[in-house]
Formats: sequence, structure tokens, C-alpha cells
Amino acid sequence: KQEVTQIPAALSVPEGENLVLNCSFTDSAIYNLQWFRQDPGKGLTSLLLIQSSQREQTSGRLNASLDKSSGRSTLYIAASQPGDSATYLCAVRPGGYSTLTFGKGTMLLVSP
Amino acid sequence: ETGVTQTPRHLVMGMTNKKSLKCEQHLGHNAMYWYKQSAKKPLELMFVYSLEERVENNSVPSRFSPECPNSSHLFLHLHTLQPEDSALYLCASSQDLIIGDSLFSGANVLTFGAGSRLTVL
Repeated sequence: KQEVTQIPAALSVPEGENLVLNCSFTDSAIYNLQWFRQDPGKGLTSLLLIQSSQREQTSGRLNASLDKSSGRSTLYIAASQPGDSATYLCAVRPGGYSTLTFGKGTMLLVSP
Repeated sequence: ETGVTQTPRHLVMGMTNKKSLKCEQHLGHNAMYWYKQSAKKPLELMFVYSLEERVENNSVPSRFSPECPNSSHLFLHLHTLQPEDSALYLCASSQDLIIGDSLFSGANVLTFGAGSRLTVL
């Protein structure tokens, strides 16, 4: 059974710092991996989707990498801002016909 | 606005009540999902519908009853719930490819609604 772990569970940084969020998964036979952002009491917003054949994806200040063989993904946030404060969720799709398995998330707080 | 709308946003109900959660998507997607998000736990998939047919049911208690009358609407009917059912219920949709009996969710991104916060007293 696929399990997704996110470390750290919570992170607090001052504005301007570059930071890395980690995601690991137990079964490397994934189809793709997706990073989401969730603001308190709200739904999920998709940030980046990485196919299993890809190594990374970039969107603005966000860069997500994927190392399928080691079962790891990282989300890099450059020059963090208070508006980046949210919970970041990692989810993997184990196969072509299957749905996402989520981690518990990393709660990020960026202080002004 | 993501294109997936959930109502109501907040619901408080007693254990003997019957209520329904509604989800509507305006994205032309052909698959819809219900997820449950409880405190300190990962999102749990409850149901998946593809082209109005249920393709996945993750051992959800029968007090939760989904309905998908068309590809744009998804309901979750609730009856005789327990306090531990209190959670944020999230609806999502995606554009999936159907080949024969196989569903390929491939490259496609799930789009989520804002959720319905349910409290069972």
C-alpha cells in the first residue's frame, strides 16, 4: 500500500528565506506526483504536477523535483513571502487507473 | 473560483438528521470525486465517479450515500452520522480518459472545490 510522508509537519521562517519541503513515498511505481496548497478552511489549489518521466517542474518562485527511484520529491520556494503561508500537500498517483494518495501536509508560516 | 462549487460551505447537523452536500463543476470534466479531510490525517478518498458511474468506493460506511445524476453534479447524502464524521468534505473533478473498461487519469490535474465543513453534534 502506497504511503506518503511529508517532513517537516510544520515550518516557520522569516520573509525572504528560500525553503524546501520534503515528500517521500514508499512505492516508486508512480504515474505522477502533484503538489497542492491549502489555505485554512479552504479547498486545495494545484501548484505543480510532475509526470513520472520528468525530473522537475517550475512555476514562478516554485520548483518541484522528483526522484522516483528513491521515492522522493521536494518543493522549493524561493524568496518566501507572508502570502505563501498555507499547508502544502504532496500527492502521488500510483498507477494509470488509480486516484491520489495524499501526505498529511506541511504547514508553512512565513513571518513579515 | 476554481470552477468547482460546493454547497453548503458549513453544515451543522444532529445524528438523526438527513442532509446532502452538493458539488457542481463547470469545467467540462468527466470524473468527480469526494474526499474527506479530518484533522491531523491525510485526505481520504471516499468515492470516484467517471461518466456518472461509480468506479471506486473506498469502504465508506453506508450512512454516506453518493449520487451523480450527470457529469456536472455530485451529491453526498448524509444520514444518521456520528460525531467522528465531522470533517471538511472536498469535491474534486478531472478530465480522465476512458478506454474500454479502463480509466486513465494520466496527466490530468484534479481541481478541488472549497469544501463543506460538516459538524455532527
